[in-house]
Amino acid sequence: DQQVKQNSPSLSVQEGRISILNCDYTNSMFDYFLWYKKYPAEGPTFLISISSIKDKNEDGRFTVFLNKSAKHLSLHIVPSQPGDSAVYFCAASTQKLVFGQGTRLTINP
Amino acid sequence: DTAVSQTPKYLVTQMGNDKSIKCEQNLGHDTMYWYKQDSKKFLKIMFSYNNKELIINETVPNRFSPKSPDKAHLNLHINSLELGDSAVYFCASSQVYGHSGNTIYFGEGSWLTVV
Repeated sequence: DQQVKQNSPSLSVQEGRISILNCDYTNSMFDYFLWYKKYPAEGPTFLISISSIKDKNEDGRFTVFLNKSAKHLSLHIVPSQPGDSAVYFCAASTQKLVFGQGTRLTINP
Repeated sequence: DTAVSQTPKYLVTQMGNDKSIKCEQNLGHDTMYWYKQDSKKFLKIMFSYNNKELIINETVPNRFSPKSPDKAHLNLHINSLELGDSAVYFCASSQVYGHSGNTIYFGEGSWLTVV
């Protein structure tokens, strides 16, 4: 019973282009959504978040979009840089944080 | 200066053994967590402690026993290790418990392999 799903295990994008990572959830009680980034042999680090009362939050090259009716959120990275290559975890929260299984993003020069 | 540190980073042990993973945070946070990343790569919460008190226990087998001597430390002890316990275990902390917008800070993970 996985409440947060990232259906693409991997994504490859050319440097300078837009990277779009997707996430779906099932629990309509989630009121906060977060993206974490993880490099190999390191713990996940917080990237960006969005409250359920919003549909967009932007921070520099990173933008998170939330579509509550579709129970879908996405992370846009533009322009993509080689240092963005990592595993990205989507997470959703009521009081407890529930993670997806991650999408490995590779930025090709 | 690592904010959330856990040791050991790598651990290979035989079935049936008992092992511990230690975690310390220097962020002054009230809440600490243990997460497990399984073979399917999902990060799942195991335990949450707030000010040394157990808040969340996600139906983890009782072979797993967390211990919080103070709010800066949350250790994980595992008895009678099984093959299925092989995973990456992440310690984490946050300022407070229960706020949806909490940012959780993770340690680097402890890679446990049971043979």
